[in-house]
Amino acid sequence: QQQVKQSPQSLIVQKGGISIINCAYENTAFDYFPWYQQFPGKGPALLIAIRPDVSEKKEGRFTISFNKSAKQFSLHIMDSQPGDSATYFCAASDYGQNFVFGPGTRLSVLP
Amino acid sequence: SQTIHQWPATLVQPVGSPLSLECTVEGTSNPNLYWYRQAAGRGLQLLFYSVGIGQISSEVPQNLSASRPQDRQFILSSKKLLLSDSGFYLCAWSRTGAFFGQGTRLTVV
Repeated sequence: QQQVKQSPQSLIVQKGGISIINCAYENTAFDYFPWYQQFPGKGPALLIAIRPDVSEKKEGRFTISFNKSAKQFSLHIMDSQPGDSATYFCAASDYGQNFVFGPGTRLSVLP
Repeated sequence: SQTIHQWPATLVQPVGSPLSLECTVEGTSNPNLYWYRQAAGRGLQLLFYSVGIGQISSEVPQNLSASRPQDRQFILSSKKLLLSDSGFYLCAWSRTGAFFGQGTRLTVV
């Protein structure tokens, strides 16, 4: 019940394309769903986050779509760029204490 | 603004030697603090978390321990390192979101 499932494990996208990463959770107590971007040798950086009272949040080229009934959320990267190549982690949290991370998706954007 | 400091950035230690990694947070009080380990190309494994001074919860039985001697200081320790302790160690703090330090690459030789 504490797991967060994430897919795909790896993703290759052409420059300018849309990258889509999906996550699913079980615990209905989760109330905060962030996405993190990690470059090699660096710590994960908070990219964008959403709460379950909204179905979509957009920040620049990054959009989170949230489906509360299905307990699923996804990250969309529009106009993907080579600089977006990184590992992306979804996560779920209850009240900012218990963070559960997905296993990560390695994104490669080809020039 | 809040910042998190983690050091050292890289560390090479012989098997059987002790370990001390330190993490400090600035710009906030009473944060939740975490230690994670990340194997190469893998996900984040929660090792310890703390909700206050002296309060440590361990998620995974291992050769490591953690302490929180001050509100914004979190220390990861080992008395005798094993080869399997090698990895990328990350400290994080949270209020609502979780914010990570830059990590320590530990290689046990």
